[in-house]
Amino acid sequence: NAGVMQNPRHLVRRRGQEARLRCSPMKGHSHVYWYRQLPEEGLKFMVYLQKENIIDESGMPKERFSAEFPKEGPSILRIQQVVRGDSAAYFCASSPQPNSPLHFGNGTRLTVT
Amino acid sequence: QQQVKQSPQSLIVQKGGISIINCAYENTAFDYFPWYQQFPGKGPALLIAIRPDVSEKKEGRFTISFNKSAKQFSLHIMDSQPGDSATYFCAASLTSGTYKYIFGTGTRLKVLA
Repeated sequence: NAGVMQNPRHLVRRRGQEARLRCSPMKGHSHVYWYRQLPEEGLKFMVYLQKENIIDESGMPKERFSAEFPKEGPSILRIQQVVRGDSAAYFCASSPQPNSPLHFGNGTRLTVT
Repeated sequence: QQQVKQSPQSLIVQKGGISIINCAYENTAFDYFPWYQQFPGKGPALLIAIRPDVSEKKEGRFTISFNKSAKQFSLHIMDSQPGDSATYFCAASLTSGTYKYIFGTGTRLKVLA
C-alpha cells in the first residue's frame, strides 16, 4: 500500500509565477490536510479537505492561496504570484476518517527566487 | 488558545541514555496527543499517541507521560540510539472538531555514539 505521494519533491519558481503542488492520499483515504513548514519551525495547518469539499481553511492566507480535492485525481495546493516568503516545505497528510491518525507525505520544497 | 509549547529546542544525549521532550498546551478541549518523528528530507511519521484518559503509554523504547491537570505531556526515549537522531514534534487535536493537529515547534535530538 503506497503512502501519501506528493509531487514534485522540489519546485523552483520566480517571484510572480504560480506554484501547483499535488498530493495523492493513501488508498482509501478521503480526508486531506495541508501543512506548511518553515525552516526551524513546526508545521502550520493550512487547510482540511474532503472529496470535493473544503472543510476548514482557517490556516490558509486569504489571498493567492487555494486548494482543491476533486472527485477524481489528487488534491492540489495552488499558490498564485509567489513571493519569497512562500519558500517553505509543504506537507500533505491523509486519513481514512476524521478520527484517525494522519499519515504524511515527504513534502514539496518550494523555493522562490 | 491553540498553542502547543515544546521544549527543549535541541537535545544531545549519549547512546544508551534517556531523551526527554516536554510539551504544554492551553486548550483543555484537546483530546488527542500524537508524537511525530521527522528525518531530514522526509515527512513526519507517527511515533506514538495518547488520549487524556490514561496517564502513560509505552511502545517499545518510547513512552508518553500525560499530566492532565498540568496540561503537559512528555516523550521519553529509553536507551537512546544514534538512529533516533531526528526532529520530534508533539501535537494536539480535537477529535470532535476538524481533527487538525496543532504542532509544537520541534526538538532536534542528536544521540552520540
